[in-house]
Amino acid sequence: TQLLEQSPQFLSIQEGENLTVYCNSSSVFSSLQWYRQEPGEGPVLLVTVVTGGEVKKLKRLTFQFGDARKDSSLHITAAQTGDTGLYLCAGGNDMRFGAGTRLTVKP
Amino acid sequence: EADIYQTPRYLVIGTGKKITLECSQTMGHDKMYWYQQDPGMELHLIHYSYGVNSTEKGDLSSESTVSRIRTEHFPLTLESARPSHTSQYLCASSFGGISYNEQFFGPGTRLTVL
Repeated sequence: TQLLEQSPQFLSIQEGENLTVYCNSSSVFSSLQWYRQEPGEGPVLLVTVVTGGEVKKLKRLTFQFGDARKDSSLHITAAQTGDTGLYLCAGGNDMRFGAGTRLTVKP
Repeated sequence: EADIYQTPRYLVIGTGKKITLECSQTMGHDKMYWYQQDPGMELHLIHYSYGVNSTEKGDLSSESTVSRIRTEHFPLTLESARPSHTSQYLCASSFGGISYNEQFFGPGTRLTVL
């Protein structure tokens, strides 16, 4: 089983601040996915990173895949209250998820 | 918007009852998954399937069973519900073959066992 560790577990910031959350593993992944989940709903796919060193941007969200394809980060610029949610990374053939980072953006 | 459906959305039952949670997808995905998630916590893989007549156990599968008779349908059955089964159950699907396992999730079933 390929384990994914996410940090921090909880993050509370003010609207307008920047933040970065991390997804780390000792295993190499062919791809990693990032999802966002709101309370009472299923996770929604944000992005898939495939190539080592790859950077993908989705509006204010920037995703990076590590050169060795063992880790990934998600950076949010100028966070908004609508960014509040549980951010999950996932990867591997058996589709294990990390424990997630619960982000709260306060107005 | 993903075309994956779960019923019921909410279920309250008594201990010892047999229940089946339904999951259907209209995307023609080969792979389907069941996860259990307590509020705000991580997802635990219960079962998954690579296609028709294929089922595999995940981390928390010992108290439930699944079947995959049709591509679009992947029901989860609890033979005898217990209070420890109280949780949210999420169904997901993804393309098979050479793919990145990008999963599309249903809205979930929130189960309460009294």
